[in-house]
Amino acid sequence: QKEVEQNSGPLSVPEGAIASLNCTYSDRGSQSFFWYRQYSGKSPELIMFIYSNGDKEDGRFTAQLNKASQYVSLLIRDSQPSDSATYLCAVSLGQNFVFGPGTRLSVLP
Amino acid sequence: GAVVSQHPSWVICKSGTSVKIECRSLDFQATTMFWYRQFPKQSLMLMATSNEGSKATYEQGVEKDKFLINHASLTLSTLTVTSAHPEDSSFYICSALSGSHQPQHFGDGTRLSIL
Repeated sequence: QKEVEQNSGPLSVPEGAIASLNCTYSDRGSQSFFWYRQYSGKSPELIMFIYSNGDKEDGRFTAQLNKASQYVSLLIRDSQPSDSATYLCAVSLGQNFVFGPGTRLSVLP
Repeated sequence: GAVVSQHPSWVICKSGTSVKIECRSLDFQATTMFWYRQFPKQSLMLMATSNEGSKATYEQGVEKDKFLINHASLTLSTLTVTSAHPEDSSFYICSALSGSHQPQHFGDGTRLSIL
């Protein structure tokens, strides 16, 4: 059974702080890694994807991948109340995707 | 780029009605489309995976005769909820994939309420 695990939260951080969201996966053959944001009542939207070990930065977001540890994380710098949402980690091998249950982030003003 | 359009956004209908939901990839060809269901405060639940021109692959516990999926072209997939009942009320979301190693792009979802 291929699994993706995330802490369900809620993770509460003060406005302006760094939010760190973590995800582990079980299938060592996984090739592609994605972070989605889902606001309450809305569908998921893609934030970032990463394929290689290391860091990938896009604006306030940084994705980090460590395939040896089967670990992927998302850092959100200068967190804003508008970042409050559920963050879904997804892992794929080809067209087979596995989503984590999501971590609920609350950014407090 | 990578826009997925899903219609309708809201459906309210009587028990026993069949409801069709459309999912279109507007600016790319989707090799694979996915259909999800999500109940309030719960995780996404994959219902089925469909590839253009072939039968959908349904997840365990999802009734294929209840949830009919047609993937007629590389840009269109439809989900028909047949003889819908109140327990089918949920948020249905489609997504499309343009190729291996690519992200899924989601439609805006359809909120289905069966009275």
